Amino acid sequence: TQLLEQSPQFLSIQEGENLTVYCNSSSVFSSLQWYRQEPGEGPVLLVTVVTGGEVKKLKRLTFQFGDARKDSSLHITAAQPGDTGLYLCAASSGGAQKLVFGQGTRLTINP
Amino acid sequence: AAGVIQSPRHLIKEKRETATLKCYPIPRHDTVYWYQQGPGQDPQFLISFYEKMQSDKGSIPDRFSAQQFSDYHSELNMSSLELGDSALYFCASRQKNTEAFFGQGTRLTVV
Repeated sequence: TQLLEQSPQFLSIQEGENLTVYCNSSSVFSSLQWYRQEPGEGPVLLVTVVTGGEVKKLKRLTFQFGDARKDSSLHITAAQPGDTGLYLCAASSGGAQKLVFGQGTRLTINP
Repeated sequence: AAGVIQSPRHLIKEKRETATLKCYPIPRHDTVYWYQQGPGQDPQFLISFYEKMQSDKGSIPDRFSAQQFSDYHSELNMSSLELGDSALYFCASRQKNTEAFFGQGTRLTVV
């Protein structure tokens, strides 16, 4: 059973379109991170959300943490080919507990 | 800023050989995680250390062992290598309750 469920797992859209990726769980987390990974490279941290209902913006990317701190979304506006990559959500319940990942969303932005 | 350093970046071993992967966390980070990522898969948690003590264990085979040393660097030792061990191995570090940062990974190929 996956602790974090990401959807969709694959997404291919045209440049300029908008998209939303979801990360859902039945568990409550103290914080949740979004990472972006290029092939053969390590995941790179995009953002951390901590407070229920929190919204963070990173240029064209908008991240939201659910009120109950069980889910999160990543919205990309006017997607560009440079946004192509694997997007991973990850969360832990605090302390030194393991960081668990969603299955990832493989995003392809076509020129 | 200092990042998580992993070595080697690439490693080719034959079946039944032994491999040692090294991870140097960001200074003052007290937690180290090891992950295995197969092709097209999300990172799978192997093992973690908090303040040089093993803190959690995931799907790590008995053929693998790891430790964290007094200088906080960590090593993942893999014996009796199998073809299925070919993967990207990531190390991540964090300071308690903060976000994790990943190294570039070691690509292990078993032939």
